[in-house]
Formats: sequence, C-alpha cells, structure tokens
Amino acid sequence: NAGVTQTPKFQVLKTGQSMTLQCAQDMNHEYMSWYRQDPGMGLRLIHYSVGAGITDQGEVPNGYNVSRSTTEDFPLRLLSAAPSQTSVYFCASSYSLRGRYEQYFGPGTRLTVT
Amino acid sequence: KNQVEQSPQSLIILEGKNCTLQCNYTVSPFSNLRWYKQDTGRGPVSLTIMTFSENTKSNGRYTATLDADTKQSSLHITASQLSDSASYICVVRRNSNSGYALNFGKGTSLLVTP
Repeated sequence: NAGVTQTPKFQVLKTGQSMTLQCAQDMNHEYMSWYRQDPGMGLRLIHYSVGAGITDQGEVPNGYNVSRSTTEDFPLRLLSAAPSQTSVYFCASSYSLRGRYEQYFGPGTRLTVT
Repeated sequence: KNQVEQSPQSLIILEGKNCTLQCNYTVSPFSNLRWYKQDTGRGPVSLTIMTFSENTKSNGRYTATLDADTKQSSLHITASQLSDSASYICVVRRNSNSGYALNFGKGTSLLVTP
C-alpha cells in the first residue's frame, strides 16, 4: 500500500512549456484534490474530484486542467507554464466515513518555471 | 478574507519547552477541525481531528483543544523536541454535502532549537 504517490519530485520548465504532474493513490478513495503551496499563502485548492469522471474547480484553477478517468489517477496539466506557477504542488486523496473525513497528502512536486 | 486564521505566524522555542499554537475560524456551519504537521519538504500529516462535541484530544505530546462557542482551537506541544520543528496547519471543515468544504489556515512555522 503506497498511499498517495506523485511524480516527478522536482521539475524545471521554461515559460510556455506544458507538462503533466502525476498523482496516484491505491486506497480506493473517492475524493482527490490538487493544491499549491506558496510561502506565506498556505495550501490553496486548484481542482478537486469527487469520483471518476467528476471534477470541479477550486480557489486557483486558472492555467491548470485535470481529468479523472479512473479512481486511482488524478493528473494535473499545466497548459502553458508561467513563472507565477512556480510552487510546490500537493495531491491528496480522501474518504468520508460516518461523517469523519480522512485526507492523505502525497510528498509533493516542486516546480520551477523560468 | 481567510476563514481560518492561525497565530503566531512563526515561533522559536528551546528544546524541552512547551508551546501553544492558536487557530481562530469563522467557518459555518462547523463540521470538524483538524491539525496537521508538515515537515519541511513533505506533505502534511494529520495529528488530531475534533468534532463539535469534543473539546480536548491528545496525540502523544500534542494536545488540541476546541471551543466551538468562541470558534477557537489551540494545539499545545509539551516538552518539545527538535523533531517538532515543522509547520502546523489548522483545517476546518464546513458541514456541507456540496462543494468543497475544507478551509485551510496558512500555518504556524515552529522551530525548536537545542
């Protein structure tokens, strides 16, 4: 049971390049989310999914796309990277059981856009 | 305006000393409040979760309190250790069946020095 895995761990992009950040979980959790974390800003929600085929926007969705074709995978796509997207990205998966909500975070991807 | 405010923003204490971190929230209706510990370069890990009816919960040297009337929570760390150096994040969940219900504080950065 690997939990939540993210790849790559580090990435450097040039402005205008595109890439996909991978996220996978093996806990059969229905909910998955993407956050970015910037100094002094805390964790901010980019996109989330409540199940396969269902996604919705979070607080800061511009410049990012997601899809959820399977329960296990929730990739985050940067369409045309900008320096403002330099950040640490965390994927999380979660489940709800009898009103209790448990969320597990991946190790993060540190992205630098030059 | 952020619905979850944490204080102090940062804190430095000597090893062996106690400290208390604060979390004030305006999230309504309230479902639960969770404290996370985030070590540098890693994803957040849950320390405690508290629902409306719980006013104290302990996890080893960590004790969280909740006053749902004043909408305040605290995280008390006893006999601090160097490994307690981390960011501590307060997350409040809104009681809702739709939309994204989590509200994140910006965290308190704790440094424990020898």
